[in-house]
Amino acid sequence: RKEVEQDPGPFNVPEGATVAFNCTYSNSASQSFFWYRQDCRKEPKLLMSVYSSGNEDGRFTAQLNRASQYISLLIRDSKLSDSATYLCVVNGYSSASKIIFGSGTRLSIRP
Amino acid sequence: GAVVSQHPSWVICKSGTSVKIECRSLDFQATTMFWYRQFPKQSLMLMATSNEGSKATYEQGVEKDKFLINHASLTLSTLTVTSAHPEDSSFYICSRQSGNQETQYFGPGTRLLVL
Repeated sequence: RKEVEQDPGPFNVPEGATVAFNCTYSNSASQSFFWYRQDCRKEPKLLMSVYSSGNEDGRFTAQLNRASQYISLLIRDSKLSDSATYLCVVNGYSSASKIIFGSGTRLSIRP
Repeated sequence: GAVVSQHPSWVICKSGTSVKIECRSLDFQATTMFWYRQFPKQSLMLMATSNEGSKATYEQGVEKDKFLINHASLTLSTLTVTSAHPEDSSFYICSRQSGNQETQYFGPGTRLLVL
């Protein structure tokens, strides 16, 4: 079993739709959780951190379920510019060597 | 603005040559920086941790003699791919940690193509 698993997609949804991704992690001791966005041929960029209480940033909502060991990302009113690969990132310890990246979920928004 | 830069952004070379990639922390003196590799449609894989003034720490399976890392100053780390072969063609990305050490800021990456 991979340490961090994501549905690779691609998700192809119309503009304005709501789309949700899940990510599961295997290490129950994981401490920090993030969603990154990676555009084609570009470096990953931090989208948002994920907290147990859930957090929202505009159209984006992230949630953490420690009991079931998954995190989620919800995108409402999707825009064409949301098309990208979304990476789930789990940090088990303070050392960067324990930062684990999921393989990413590809999202394509169509007009 | 960007906090980490990389140079070059892309390079094409012949098999057997060595390629040096520079990574600079622009706004922060980083005693530690990181080098990742990403193959198409795969996740980022940490190759090594670059430590200023000391030897790099390599992840399991990464050949330290092939991927030479030098962290000579608090703002510059270099990765040299020695005797590059086509299977080394990949997207190489460096990063530094955020101030709270929880997350990473990435450079724009270097795309290497070995013919």
